[in-house]
Amino acid sequence: QQQVKQSPQSLIVQKGGISIINCAYENTAFDYFPWYQQFPGKGPALLIAIRPDVSEKKEGRFTISFNKSAKQFSLHIMDSQPGDSATYFCAVTGTASKLTFGTGTRLQVTL
Amino acid sequence: EAGVAQSPRYKIIEKRQSVAFWCNPISGHATLYWYQQILGQGPKLLIQFQNNGVVDDSQLPKDRFSAERLKGVDSTLKIQPAKLEDSAVYLCASSQRPGTSGRDLYNEQFFGPGTRLTVL
Repeated sequence: QQQVKQSPQSLIVQKGGISIINCAYENTAFDYFPWYQQFPGKGPALLIAIRPDVSEKKEGRFTISFNKSAKQFSLHIMDSQPGDSATYFCAVTGTASKLTFGTGTRLQVTL
Repeated sequence: EAGVAQSPRYKIIEKRQSVAFWCNPISGHATLYWYQQILGQGPKLLIQFQNNGVVDDSQLPKDRFSAERLKGVDSTLKIQPAKLEDSAVYLCASSQRPGTSGRDLYNEQFFGPGTRLTVL
């Protein structure tokens, strides 16, 4: 059973554009929703995260929008830059900090 | 602050051979995780240690995979015998004890660079 579904699989955005990645989850017991960024040859690194008691969180150019009733959350990257080119994973977690990752979105930001 | 260290970075073996990976977590981190990341997929948790005790190994293929964390610091993950489908990146991560401070008071996991295993 896939606990978190992520889309799109890949995304090409022009420099300065907005990148949007979506995730949907099944289990309402999840209580923490992080996004991880992974560059080639590196391990994932926490980018931004949200708890279900808020609908939006912003850190610099990165924003998470959270829709508890729809069981969906999304990552928005404003003013996308070539340095943002990476693979992005959404994840969900509940007790014991056990992370379940989405399938990933490969983002390419072109000049 | 030094990050999570892993070795080797790359390993190529024949099927049915054995292989071992090593991880040194961030100093003071009590929780250690091993993940398997198959190409094109997200990391999948194999095993979680709290100090030197196993918290969760429900997704570890115990007929061929084993892991230990002696003395509650370094950890090794072993595969014996390896199969073609074991080709993946093996990631180690560590975190402070649950409930301690971190970004958003969450037990943030810090990942190492991984070991890329190719089984021929």
